[in-house]
Amino acid sequence: GENVEQHPSTLSVQEGDSAVIKCTYSDSASNYFPWYKQELGKRPQLIIDIRSNVGEKKDQRIAVTLNKTAKHFSLHITETQPEDSAVYFCAASRTYKYIFGTGTRLKVLA
Amino acid sequence: GAGVSQSPSNKVTEKGKDVELRCDPISGHTALYWYRQSLGQGLEFLIYFQGNSAPDKSGLPSDRFSAERTGGSVSTLTIQRTQQEDSAVYLCASSSRTAEQYFGPGTRLTVT
Repeated sequence: GENVEQHPSTLSVQEGDSAVIKCTYSDSASNYFPWYKQELGKRPQLIIDIRSNVGEKKDQRIAVTLNKTAKHFSLHITETQPEDSAVYFCAASRTYKYIFGTGTRLKVLA
Repeated sequence: GAGVSQSPSNKVTEKGKDVELRCDPISGHTALYWYRQSLGQGLEFLIYFQGNSAPDKSGLPSDRFSAERTGGSVSTLTIQRTQQEDSAVYLCASSSRTAEQYFGPGTRLTVT
């Protein structure tokens, strides 16, 4: 079946450094790739998304890149801040169903 | 406007009892999803409703799980004869067609 692999499962960075989270998907027909941030005890919230007709998208300190040939996409956070600490989930979708990755726990150390 | 709401926020039940979890989606959203999130784990798809179409139940883990969506709005997830492995946070999300999924705050279910 379809699946999405996400790495690393945990990531610690110093404040101000960059963080990169990578996901690989299996369904080549996937065309929508959202990223969600979930702070402790809170609901997941969309932080950025990308569609398959675009290779890169930026929004301030966050960016997502997509390589359709390799079927992988990545989240990049620059100039990390303590409030970036959370669990990040990637997902891949070609219809209504999102297949989520297993999450990355990011810790930004002050 | 109001976001997705869920009730109860916490539910503790004894093994073998039935539970009902409620989701109120964002008004006007035609799509509604249920997910299960076990401690420290990812989001496991359970079921999807879209308008008046037949729901996609492919993620329901067993026949003890069922869900309804009445009038294209409120949804109820029912777990019969609960087991300890059912303990998790149950998240509901809604979206307009092809758009972002908005999540509710979840219901934390503990089966003792």
